Amino acid sequence: SQQGEEDPQALSIQEGENATMNCSYKTSINNLQWYRQNSGRGLVHLILIRSNEREKHSGRLRVTLDTSKKSSSLLITASRAADTASYFCATDARLTGGGNKLTFGTGTQLKVEL
Amino acid sequence: DAGVTQSPTHLIKTRGQQVTLRCSPISGHKSVSWYQQVLGQGPQFIFQYYEKEERGRGNFPDRFSARQFPNYSSELNVNALLLGDSALYLCASSRQGAKNTGELFFGEGSRLTVL
Repeated sequence: SQQGEEDPQALSIQEGENATMNCSYKTSINNLQWYRQNSGRGLVHLILIRSNEREKHSGRLRVTLDTSKKSSSLLITASRAADTASYFCATDARLTGGGNKLTFGTGTQLKVEL
Repeated sequence: DAGVTQSPTHLIKTRGQQVTLRCSPISGHKSVSWYQQVLGQGPQFIFQYYEKEERGRGNFPDRFSARQFPNYSSELNVNALLLGDSALYLCASSRQGAKNTGELFFGEGSRLTVL
């Protein structure tokens, strides 16, 4: 089952504009991560924010986390055509065997047009 | 350094057949996880292996099995294939041990089509 849900499901913007994607989750977390996926390819890690952090920056990316609302947002500033991809949030969960897994949301498809 | 490598990249099977997918983690990574991604959805966890031991299994039937070798590479096996097994199968490796889920490094995936 999907832990998180991204909103919106699809987003189309012009190059240079900012893109904001939101993620909601259901259970308590140790950390929340954002990944990017170009069409049909592997996922690339963007940023990890721990449960005791509220905001984190990496280049043109800004992530916020509100554990009281069980939500996170990813902001991409000054978007470029190369940012066109699907973006997923993922939360970690402990497994009974002592391992960990990531539970991914449904993703936001971002299209940046020239 | 080479990233996570998966083989084959694409394959087509018919219902009832068996498939083996292979994954080589980044050098030094001891944890390997497998995820299934059906078209239009996010990846779903199948297995995690750490130091050659299974550390977790997702909600998949017993037709799915995996193992990790002494060199930390891994195989995912799926028996008695169903049409619904058609998906992108992603392997990911991690520096972290079994205690924390840090950044995962994904391969490009194996695209399985079941006819």
